Amino acid sequence: NAGVTQTPKFRILKIGQSMTLQCAQDMNHNYMYWYRQDPGMGLKLIYYSVGAGITDKGEVPNGYNVSRSTTEDFPLRLELAAPSQTSVYFCASSFSEVYGYTFGSGTRLTVV
Amino acid sequence: EDQVTQSPEALRLQEGESSSLNCSYTVSGLRGLFWYRQDPGKGPEFLFTLYSAGEEKEKERLKATLTKKESFLHITAPKPEDSATYLCAVGTGNQFYFGTGTSLTVIP
Repeated sequence: NAGVTQTPKFRILKIGQSMTLQCAQDMNHNYMYWYRQDPGMGLKLIYYSVGAGITDKGEVPNGYNVSRSTTEDFPLRLELAAPSQTSVYFCASSFSEVYGYTFGSGTRLTVV
Repeated sequence: EDQVTQSPEALRLQEGESSSLNCSYTVSGLRGLFWYRQDPGKGPEFLFTLYSAGEEKEKERLKATLTKKESFLHITAPKPEDSATYLCAVGTGNQFYFGTGTSLTVIP
């Protein structure tokens, strides 16, 4: 049972480039989330999804986009990367909004 | 404004020295309070969910309690392998708010 799988683990982008962070879960969870974690700032919610075809903005959505075409996958798209998007990104899933999350191992992104 | 505050920011304990971590919150419509453990370079690992004041949960050397304004994570006789950052989060509606964590170091 793999849980939540994130790829890549590390990436360096140049300013203005785009990329997609991949996230897949094999637990048949309906709820999926993208967070970013910056030193001393705690985890901030970027986008979340309550099921295939349904997504909504979190606390810090600017500069990001998501899609949810299947229950298993929830990719995060960065368009026109900026240094402010340098962070560690975590994908998570849960059975419902009142259950604990299962987190992936994270993607460390640096924008230079 | 919904807020979650954890204290202390960092805590150093001798092996076997019990202590408590605090998570205070100001949110409307609390649906659950969650504790996670995060090791360096890894994603947070779920520990407990508490849903109502007075509730307690235990796991090995950890015990979590909840009041209407705060939660405590009690660590009894900690071991070096308990060293990690402990995060709390509160759920309200479809949003979760995370604290900035307490970094715990247990010295042998």
